[in-house]
Amino acid sequence: GQSLEQPSEVTAVEGAIVQINCTYQTSGFYGLSWYQQHDGGAPTFLSYNALDGLEETGRFSSFLSRSDSYGYLLLQELQMKDSASYFCAVRDTGGFKTIFGAGTRLFVKA
Amino acid sequence: DVKVTQSSRYLVKRTGEKVFLECVQDMDHENMFWYRQDPGLGLRLIYFSYDVKMKEKGDIPEGYSVSREKKERFSLILESASTNQTSMYLCASSKGQGRVAFFGQGTRLTVV
Repeated sequence: GQSLEQPSEVTAVEGAIVQINCTYQTSGFYGLSWYQQHDGGAPTFLSYNALDGLEETGRFSSFLSRSDSYGYLLLQELQMKDSASYFCAVRDTGGFKTIFGAGTRLFVKA
Repeated sequence: DVKVTQSSRYLVKRTGEKVFLECVQDMDHENMFWYRQDPGLGLRLIYFSYDVKMKEKGDIPEGYSVSREKKERFSLILESASTNQTSMYLCASSKGQGRVAFFGQGTRLTVV
């Protein structure tokens, strides 16, 4: 079967750094994506890794290790507006189908 | 601005009704998806389509069907709605081998 595992909740304080991990077990792999979803909103794309290593986009970075079937999203200089759910997602071989994890709810405290 | 539009934000239907959820995208994307989102379960793929008239089952297709007669429109059909299909339904689209999926605002469906 296919599965993506990520923590259900993470809490951090404003200004801190937080890491959200994702391990995956899928029949194929084409890339790992991260999406953010605020309450009542649509998921929006944050980051994508097709190759091993770190991708940096402003305060957000994403890491991938294909040999470990593992990735993480790193959020720096946390702001209250970062309180949201974060989903990792895997595109399977061929790139058509994207499978999502259950999501990590991030709470940022003042 | 890229846009994926779902026809309704909220729907209430009765058990046994046939329900149509419509999704339109204006980005000329080849791929379109239907997910349902439930607390603690994340987004689960119901069906996807990579071309007009083409469809593939996702992880939870039972009780659903889809239609893609035009490139910009992807419809999800609940043949006979049941209470366990009460959920948030999200439509998404992506381009070819594109890495980014764009989502609609979702339709919260309640089956009573």
